[in-house]
Amino acid sequence: SQTIHQWPATLVQPVGSPLSLECTVEGTSNPNLYWYRQAAGRGLQLLFYSVGIGQISSEVPQNLSASRPQDRQFILSSKKLLLSDSGFYLCAWRQAGELFFGEGSRLTVL
Amino acid sequence: AQTVTQSQPEMSVQEAETVTLSCTYDTSESDYYLFWYKQPPSRQMILVIRQEAYKQQNATENRFSVNFQKAAKSFSLKISDSQLGDAAMYFCAYRSPVSYGNKLVFGAGTILRVKS
Repeated sequence: SQTIHQWPATLVQPVGSPLSLECTVEGTSNPNLYWYRQAAGRGLQLLFYSVGIGQISSEVPQNLSASRPQDRQFILSSKKLLLSDSGFYLCAWRQAGELFFGEGSRLTVL
Repeated sequence: AQTVTQSQPEMSVQEAETVTLSCTYDTSESDYYLFWYKQPPSRQMILVIRQEAYKQQNATENRFSVNFQKAAKSFSLKISDSQLGDAAMYFCAYRSPVSYGNKLVFGAGTILRVKS
């Protein structure tokens, strides 16, 4: 069966520090992968999505970047975090029109 | 671009009673998909129910049903016989069948509290 994992689950980082959130999918090949951010009162905002290795589409301009070095690996990064990057980040993959989400990563930037 | 609006930031329901969560969306497309997702506290987001716009019949999944009004662009979720385990954040979402990457657009969410 297919599973999705993301880590770390919780992260507290100082402003200006780098960020790396990782997401991996098991049990499927060539999935569409997504990074969403959930901010209070603003629902889920799509940040990046990828339809294949090395193919990254960005939805909104921001301080973050994404990479897909392997078929089932999707990484969310930042070189220098801002306070506004705090939030709950969700990785997801799509099958048969439905999104399956990871457990989420809560990032607090201080 | 499509938008999804959930006008109820928070709702409460008594256990065993029925509650309806509202969702409206804006699109110029005639064919699309609509979803309700549930996010329990500190747990993974899961799909509750989905509706294809070309289907006139409202989708149902056990105690969960939708009232899909295509002309009004409304997609409400009804939870019958509410249980404590239904307490969660509920998100309404829209997907265009032709969007590159099959992206979902989500509403802001509604927090549902269930009182015992």
